[in-house]
Amino acid sequence: EPEVTQTPSHQVTQMGQEVILRCVPISNHLYFYWYRQILGQKVEFLVSFYNNEISEKSEIFDDQFSVERPDGSNFTLKIRSTKLEDSAMYFCASRIDWGGTDTQYFGPGTRLTVL
Amino acid sequence: SQQGEEDPQALSIQEGENATMNCSYKTSINNLQWYRQNSGRGLVHLILIRSNEREKHSGRLRVTLDTSKKSSSLLITASRAADTASYFCATDPGGAGSYQLTFGKGTKLSVIP
Repeated sequence: EPEVTQTPSHQVTQMGQEVILRCVPISNHLYFYWYRQILGQKVEFLVSFYNNEISEKSEIFDDQFSVERPDGSNFTLKIRSTKLEDSAMYFCASRIDWGGTDTQYFGPGTRLTVL
Repeated sequence: SQQGEEDPQALSIQEGENATMNCSYKTSINNLQWYRQNSGRGLVHLILIRSNEREKHSGRLRVTLDTSKKSSSLLITASRAADTASYFCATDPGGAGSYQLTFGKGTKLSVIP
């Protein structure tokens, strides 16, 4: 069964460094998402991406964050200058975007630790 | 309170018993989805119920939706130790947006062998 994949599974970085989290959505899906989950808290929406542009973004998704679909398969989340409070699990999700199937499929997540 | 609030926050049962988790939400929805998360791991999609559906089954899972009360319940029958996980409801508002999900805080289920 097709699945969303994410790399790396765990990223440790120093505060102020840039990180890029990578995702490969399911191949025929058209909507892509990033969510994050701070340890012990609920999953929060960051950004959605459709037709090569940001569709919606939350208040969390400030100027330090950016997303890109550099080729036909990868979907990346970049954090330009990481802060301690960016430590979280980051999930990528994708959705097929046609009527009848609204399920979002999540990847296994990347655990980001900012020291 | 927030969209997608589950209760109880934690539930501990014996293997073989049924587990019921509830979810309440505030705004109108297109569908409601339940996910499972094993400790520190990814989100596994369990079941989706649309706003025009009242009940749905999938294996040992039964989900109900009451849009008049803005609530949903997830029933796991004949629980197993492997069902130990956190369970989240997530609402999809539909409409003209990008259908981002709003998650609740989750119910932590422990099934004791």
